[in-house]
Amino acid sequence: GAVVSQHPSRVICKSGTSVKIECRSLDFQATTMFWYRQFPKQSLMLMATSNEGSKATYEQGVEKDKFLINHASLTLSTLTVTSAHPEDSSFYICSARDGGAAQPQHFGDGTRLSIL
Amino acid sequence: RKEVEQDPGPFNVPEGATVAFNCTYSNSASQSFFWYRQDCRKEPKLLMSVYSSGNEDGRFTAQLNRASQYISLLIRDSKLSDSATYLCVVNGGGGADGLTFGKGTHLIIQP
Repeated sequence: GAVVSQHPSRVICKSGTSVKIECRSLDFQATTMFWYRQFPKQSLMLMATSNEGSKATYEQGVEKDKFLINHASLTLSTLTVTSAHPEDSSFYICSARDGGAAQPQHFGDGTRLSIL
Repeated sequence: RKEVEQDPGPFNVPEGATVAFNCTYSNSASQSFFWYRQDCRKEPKLLMSVYSSGNEDGRFTAQLNRASQYISLLIRDSKLSDSATYLCVVNGGGGADGLTFGKGTHLIIQP
């Protein structure tokens, strides 16, 4: 159980393109979803937290107009990287949780984004 | 001070040996603690939650010491498939809801 699907797994595109990443909880309802970013040899860094039907809460230093998050249902959250540039190239991972902070988060497969 | 600190390793350990990792966390209000493993270029996968009373899952034992703010993971009878990066993860405290990850400890099990 607790499967989280993330799509696409790999994106390579030109600078200036907007990229949309989907995160779905397949066998549970995710009251909260999280978006992380991981640069090479670095730890995962939380970008934003989203609850279904409400606006996402962004971490300090993460531009909300750059990284648009939509959590439309209890099983789907999307992250759109708008007008992506090479410095946005990274490994983006979503996670989903059913319940409060004591519950573990379950991660999607991640999306490796490369901006040329 | 970093929020979650771990020895990055690598730990080179022969197959069958016992290996232990520790990590320390800075936020005394943290409420939930986990060990995740991450294979190269993959997503983290939950290994186990960590409780003050300690918990065991097969060859893996985790301990939490709230007074000293450290968390440990013990792996017995290590297998080649245990080779991975082990992430110490802390959740909550002070209104923060996401996970704070350590940089991970790299473990290499040698045949």
